[in-house]
Amino acid sequence: QQQVKQSPQSLIVQKGGISIINCAYENTAFDYFPWYQQFPGKGPALLIAIRPDVSEKKEGRFTISFNKSAKQFSLHIMDSQPGDSATYFCAASILSGGGADGLTFGKGTHLIIQP
Amino acid sequence: DTGVSQDPRHKITKRGQNVTFRCDPISEHNRLYWYRQTLGQGPEFLTYFQNEAQLEKSRLLSDRFSAERPKGSFSTLEIQRTEQGDSAMYLCASSRNKEHGYTFGSGTRLTVV
Repeated sequence: QQQVKQSPQSLIVQKGGISIINCAYENTAFDYFPWYQQFPGKGPALLIAIRPDVSEKKEGRFTISFNKSAKQFSLHIMDSQPGDSATYFCAASILSGGGADGLTFGKGTHLIIQP
Repeated sequence: DTGVSQDPRHKITKRGQNVTFRCDPISEHNRLYWYRQTLGQGPEFLTYFQNEAQLEKSRLLSDRFSAERPKGSFSTLEIQRTEQGDSAMYLCASSRNKEHGYTFGSGTRLTVV
């Protein structure tokens, strides 16, 4: 059972355009939703994260939109640049409670920004 | 803060051999995680340590896998009797607490031939 579904699998965007990646989750206990960026040969790096008490979070060119009722969240990259070309993963975990906070990742989106 | 360090970066081994990977987390981080990532997939959670205690293990972690963090600092992940299906990138991550995001290392890429 895939608990976090990510789409699209790959995405090509022109330089300066908006890149949009979507994720949907199933487990309503999830309360932490980060996005990670991964370059070839490197580990994932935290980009931005959101908790379900807000509907949007913006950091520079990166924005997370969160829809709790639909159990969906998305990453928007404004003014996309060639340096943003990477694989992006959404993830979810449970921060509240005493258990571990292991992340459940989506399958990733391979983003290419064309100059 | 020198980041999360993993060693080796690459390992090629023959089927049936044992391998051990090492992870050195960021020094003030007491939480340490191991993940496995196969080509075209997101990382999958394997196990979690808080200080030296291993508090959670995924069902993915078969009996051939064992992880330790003996002094609450570095950690090792051992795979016994490796199989071709073990070929993957093994990622280590650490964090200060739940509210802070993880810092991942660059991983150890294992190839079983």
